[in-house]
Amino acid sequence: QSALTQPASVSGSPGQSITISCTGTSSDVGGYNYVSWYQQHPGKAPKLMIYNVINRPSGVSNRFSGSKSGNTASLTISGLQAEDEAAYYCNSFTTGNTLVFGGGTKLTVL
Amino acid sequence: QVQLQESGPGLVKPSQTLSLTCTVSGGSISSGSYYWSWIRQPAGKGLEWIGRIYTSGNTNYNPSLKSRVTISVDTSKNQFSLKLSSVTAADTAVYYCGRYSSGGGFDPWGQGTLVTVSS
Repeated sequence: QSALTQPASVSGSPGQSITISCTGTSSDVGGYNYVSWYQQHPGKAPKLMIYNVINRPSGVSNRFSGSKSGNTASLTISGLQAEDEAAYYCNSFTTGNTLVFGGGTKLTVL
Repeated sequence: QVQLQESGPGLVKPSQTLSLTCTVSGGSISSGSYYWSWIRQPAGKGLEWIGRIYTSGNTNYNPSLKSRVTISVDTSKNQFSLKLSSVTAADTAVYYCGRYSSGGGFDPWGQGTLVTVSS
């Protein structure tokens, strides 16, 4: 199975909004609403930020939101803060009952 | 709340079998509709899903690793384990265990353990 496609890097200034895309196929992202997003700071374990495309776990800021259109899922972070600087990964369930991650996106807060 | 902790050798020789255990605390590994999973991350690279096991014993593996991976569960010890055979330097990575649910993604995660494959 191929990794989901994410941009290698994105950047934004404090207070701005950014969107990270996650492109797959009809066999993964497009076929199921089991897309989740993870934030990972250097040297730390990933943290769940969004699950089932649009849902935020308790404790995650409402500045984080998720969406999906066709084979592409997106994570939007509004009101960027310095602490948002991290790597972000998407994940999707796939046909064949497996899971696949995106390649990851490094977010830089300018 | 549920916490996960990986354990096992930090150094494995090439061609040998990597063995790791994930201990679940704060809840029973048998309760709920969860898949217990392994994920790895080579230094400076992205996350790779290795596989998962349901408490019934049903497993699913990454097709690219399937021939070398075995995941098992020991409900009496509240643990699940990973075995990866015939390892090479390419298997050097931080290995994470995590709990997955179709309705909730991977949460929580263990802190991760570095496994180096070297002679």
